Amino acid sequence: GNSVTQMEGPVTLSEEAFLTINCTYTATGYPSLFWYVQYPGEGLQLLLKATKADDKGSNKGFEATYRKETTSFHLEKGSVQVSDSAVYFCALSDMNSGAGSYQLTFGKGTKLSVIP
Amino acid sequence: NAGVTQTPKFQVLKTGQSMTLQCAQDMNHEYMSWYRQDPGMGLRLIHYSVGAGITDQGEVPNGYNVSRSTTEDFPLRLLSAAPSQTSVYFCASRKAGTDNQPQHFGDGTRLSIL
Repeated sequence: GNSVTQMEGPVTLSEEAFLTINCTYTATGYPSLFWYVQYPGEGLQLLLKATKADDKGSNKGFEATYRKETTSFHLEKGSVQVSDSAVYFCALSDMNSGAGSYQLTFGKGTKLSVIP
Repeated sequence: NAGVTQTPKFQVLKTGQSMTLQCAQDMNHEYMSWYRQDPGMGLRLIHYSVGAGITDQGEVPNGYNVSRSTTEDFPLRLLSAAPSQTSVYFCASRKAGTDNQPQHFGDGTRLSIL
């Protein structure tokens, strides 16, 4: 079946530091990949997505590249801000993997805290 | 834009009580889902629906019922609440078609079972 593994947190960084959150996946087909962000007390919001190999998703200074050869979709940001403090979830969608496959499979989330 | 609306935002129940968590979306999305979020567990799928009149079980369906009488609404029922159901519950919707459509989430219902 499908699965997503992301680095465990929590991650604490100083403002303006470089961020990487690792994400690798297992899928039976050719999934679409997503990063979602959850700010305290809120629901999940789509941060970025990539739908095929070598695609780069980007939004709000965050980037992630769909690497089929390493089955990875690592999230990066060059200079984090305090407002980036949140929980980040990697997820995949693979509609070719059977019943219910249009549902997202999520990683367990990585909590990021950015300190001034 | 209302998006996905969940009510209530907070609820405290006693063991054995029943209740319904409401979810409504105004985007005419075919797919709707319920997840629970627990510390260190990420999001786990409870039930989902691909359209009005069609529902199916997800990863952790025991103790929960759903129905989908309209495209807009997808309520989640706790039949007899147990402390293990203390969690944050999220409803999500998604447009049918290809797998590159993102899910849209509500703000969650924080449920405590005493």
